[in-house]
Amino acid sequence: DVKVTQSSRYLVKRTGEKVFLECVQDMDHENMFWYRQDPGLGLRLIYFSYDVKMKEKGDIPEGYSVSREKKERFSLILESASTNQTSMYLCASSPPGFSYNEQFFGPGTRLTVL
Amino acid sequence: GQQLNQSPQSMFIQEGEDVSMNCTSSSIFNTWLWYKQDPGEGPVLLIALYKAGELTSNGRLTAQFGITRKDSFLNISASIPSDVGIYFCAGQPGGSNYKLTFGKGTLLTVNP
Repeated sequence: DVKVTQSSRYLVKRTGEKVFLECVQDMDHENMFWYRQDPGLGLRLIYFSYDVKMKEKGDIPEGYSVSREKKERFSLILESASTNQTSMYLCASSPPGFSYNEQFFGPGTRLTVL
Repeated sequence: GQQLNQSPQSMFIQEGEDVSMNCTSSSIFNTWLWYKQDPGEGPVLLIALYKAGELTSNGRLTAQFGITRKDSFLNISASIPSDVGIYFCAGQPGGSNYKLTFGKGTLLTVNP
């Protein structure tokens, strides 16, 4: 089974702090994604990466950056956390080839910014 | 951007009943996927569909890729209490590699 793990299930940070969310997958997947999930808005794509050191902006990249130095790890960085970044953050990965749309999600990190 | 209309928004049913939910789009999708999310957890992939007209089952779940490529349906037969959760559809629009569009979800409650 695909295993996608996220570094924290719950995180509380203060406004202005730099926040790192880590995601690791163990299935040698090429593609990795970061989403945020908010009530009434559904899942929104922040960034994705289809290879090491490659990244592309999703629908809401403002206020975020990402890093992919190794194939199995994809980090989401909030440079200066703000209260409107309080949300559930979900990481996902998908394999190459025909099934590249089959995204497998981690358990999520619920981030609260005070 | 692309939008998916998922309905119903919520359902409250008795254990043993069958359930049906659907997603529609104004444009063609190349792939349809169905996920289930339990409270406080990440979505879990249930079924993936790749061809118009395709009908795929996973246990008591059956999903179909609409002939027009603009809709998909998920049916759950003989519901049980552990079916409770939020069900999401997701699709890959034509010309949009890697990026999925998600529906807003259907909240299913099963009364034992």
